[in-house]
Amino acid sequence: ELKVEQNPLFLSMQEGKNYTIYCNYSTTSDRLYWYRQDPGKSLESLFVLLSNGAVKQEGRLMASLDTKARLSTLHITAAVHDLSATYFCAVPPYNNDMRFGAGTRLTVKP
Amino acid sequence: GAGVSQSPRYKVAKRGQDVALRCDPISGHVSLFWYQQALGQGPEFLTYFQNEAQLDKSGLPSDRFFAERPEGSVSTLKIQRTQQEDSAVYLCASTDSFGSYEQYFGPGTRLTVT
Repeated sequence: ELKVEQNPLFLSMQEGKNYTIYCNYSTTSDRLYWYRQDPGKSLESLFVLLSNGAVKQEGRLMASLDTKARLSTLHITAAVHDLSATYFCAVPPYNNDMRFGAGTRLTVKP
Repeated sequence: GAGVSQSPRYKVAKRGQDVALRCDPISGHVSLFWYQQALGQGPEFLTYFQNEAQLDKSGLPSDRFFAERPEGSVSTLKIQRTQQEDSAVYLCASTDSFGSYEQYFGPGTRLTVT
């Protein structure tokens, strides 16, 4: 069964600092998705990574995918308070349904 | 265009009651998914439809859970004889059957069983 593991699960950062969230998965997949969830809200799509070596950037967030290592990273550059949220990675094993990681709860402090 | 909508947004049920949760996917989206998200956890897959066919229901936690999509658009998730452990947010998502297969999520229904 596909397992998706994220670390860290909790992350407290100072504004202006950089950090990376890691997502490991246990079986082959050529796609990986990153979502953001604010408290009490639904999931907002951040990145869709469709191939090995894919790298996408939006603002202070950059995501990459290494399908051989079964690893994706979400890098945060110069964090700001607005990035405080929970971030999920998700991998589709088959039928396109998603298996989600447990989430990384990010808090950015001034 | 309109996104995925779900109703009701909040539902409080007494233990033992039956509930029905509705999902309206994005128009034209072939695939529809239901997920359950417990507090502080990631969403967990429940079931999947392609048009009106329920192709995977392996995530439904018990036979008290039932989902349907009779005309290949709107879907209903029904929970019979609700239990406290059913309290969660139920998320619906839809996707095209081609391209990035990106799933678009609805706002969710927060179910509280008392």
